[in-house]
Amino acid sequence: EDQVTQSPEALRLQEGESSSLNCSYTVSGLRGLFWYRQDPGKGPEFLFTLYSAGEEKEKERLKATLTKKESFLHITAPKPEDSATYLCAVQAKQGAQKLVFGQGTRLTINP
Amino acid sequence: SQTIHQWPATLVQPVGSPLSLECTVEGTSNPNLYWYRQAAGRGLQLLFYSVGIGQISSEVPQNLSASRPQDRQFILSSKKLLLSDSGFYLCAWSVGFSGVGYTFGSGTRLTVV
Repeated sequence: EDQVTQSPEALRLQEGESSSLNCSYTVSGLRGLFWYRQDPGKGPEFLFTLYSAGEEKEKERLKATLTKKESFLHITAPKPEDSATYLCAVQAKQGAQKLVFGQGTRLTINP
Repeated sequence: SQTIHQWPATLVQPVGSPLSLECTVEGTSNPNLYWYRQAAGRGLQLLFYSVGIGQISSEVPQNLSASRPQDRQFILSSKKLLLSDSGFYLCAWSVGFSGVGYTFGSGTRLTVV
């Protein structure tokens, strides 16, 4: 069974304090690993897709990396507007095109 | 461009009452459609998915059902709501393997009282 575990559950940082969020996964053949951002009371918004180990993607202060067992979302010099819940999900090559999500990391950036 | 509409945004229902949440997609044909539930502080749990009209797959046993009467319409229903049905319900769509995974609706906050 495909599984995704995210850590930590919650993270508080000061503005400008860089850190990383972790997403550990097990999947029977990875088609893609996805990162989403979710603001309170809203649907998740797409951030990145990673397909193979060693791949990296960047967007503003965010950088996602992928290994065969986990992915990291690095946040460099965060701002208060980066506060949100970050969700990780995997999609397997075989079977229905379902995304399996982790529990998310709730990130708070204090000014 | 493709858009997804989900309504209502907020709903408060008494225990034992029926439920109907609707989701429609515009700007695409034959999408895969999904219903997820998100409990407070938790991740997204897949409830149902559909690859075509009348084709529904259920992921977890529960008090809910889903239907797809039209290509771009997905409905989540219950005959009698339970307290445990409270949560944030999200509809999503995809076409084939999309590099963005799914596109989500804005969600419905359901509170059963």
